[in-house]
Amino acid sequence: GAVVSQHPSRVICKSGTSVKIECRSLDFQATTMFWYRQFPKKSLMLMATSNEGSKATYEQGVEKDKFLINHASLTLSTLTVTSAHPEDSSFYICSADQRTNYGYTFGSGTRLTVV
Amino acid sequence: AQTVTQSQPEMSVQEAETVTLSCTYDTSENNYYLFWYKQPPSRQMILVIRQEAYKQQNATENRFSVNFQKAAKSFSLKISDSQLGDTAMYFCAFMMEDSGGGADGLTFGKGTHLIIQP
Repeated sequence: GAVVSQHPSRVICKSGTSVKIECRSLDFQATTMFWYRQFPKKSLMLMATSNEGSKATYEQGVEKDKFLINHASLTLSTLTVTSAHPEDSSFYICSADQRTNYGYTFGSGTRLTVV
Repeated sequence: AQTVTQSQPEMSVQEAETVTLSCTYDTSENNYYLFWYKQPPSRQMILVIRQEAYKQQNATENRFSVNFQKAAKSFSLKISDSQLGDTAMYFCAFMMEDSGGGADGLTFGKGTHLIIQP
C-alpha cells in the first residue's frame, strides 16, 4: 500500500530558530502534497497545498513567510517553520495525493514544541 | 467554502454493539467525495471509508458502512460489532472533485471521540 513517511516525529527547538519537517511518498509519486496543523484535541486544519515544481498555495490566515514549503521532487515536500515561537507549537501532518482511489495517505505527524 | 459538522464530541458504547456517528456538511458543489478517517492515540490518520457523491449506493467496508443522504447533506458512519480497537477519534472529511485545477485538500469536521467499553 501507499506509504508516506514524515520526519522527524518529534522535535523541540528554541524560540527564534527554524525547524524543517520532511514528508516523503515512498512508493508513489505525488505531484500534490498537503500540510495540516492539529491543535490538541482539535481537528486538522489545512495550512497549504504543496505542488511539485511550483509555489505552494496557502490557506487564508497562514503566514507564508513563516511556514515555508518546498516541493522540489515528486516524492518530497518540506515544511520549514521559520523563527519559531511557542505559539507555533503544534502537531503538523502531511498527506499526499495518490490520485488512484481518490484518497490521501497521511504521514505519521510531527509534534513540534518551541521552548 | 465547505463546512463539515460533527455534532457528537464523544460517544461511548459497549463492545460488540453497533454505533452510528453523525456528520453533516454544507456545499454548493455537486461533485465531491466524503471520507471518514480514524485517528487512534498514535495520531496516525487512517482512512476508514470513502463515498463518491455521484454514487447512490452507500459505501461498505467490512464492519463499516455509511448512510449517505445527498439531498440532506448527511454522511453518517455505522460501525457494527464494535471492537476495543475501534476506540479513536473519528473525523468526517469533504473533498471537492478535481476539475482540472489540481487536487484540493480535505475539510475536516471537529471529530468524535469514540470509546469502546469492554
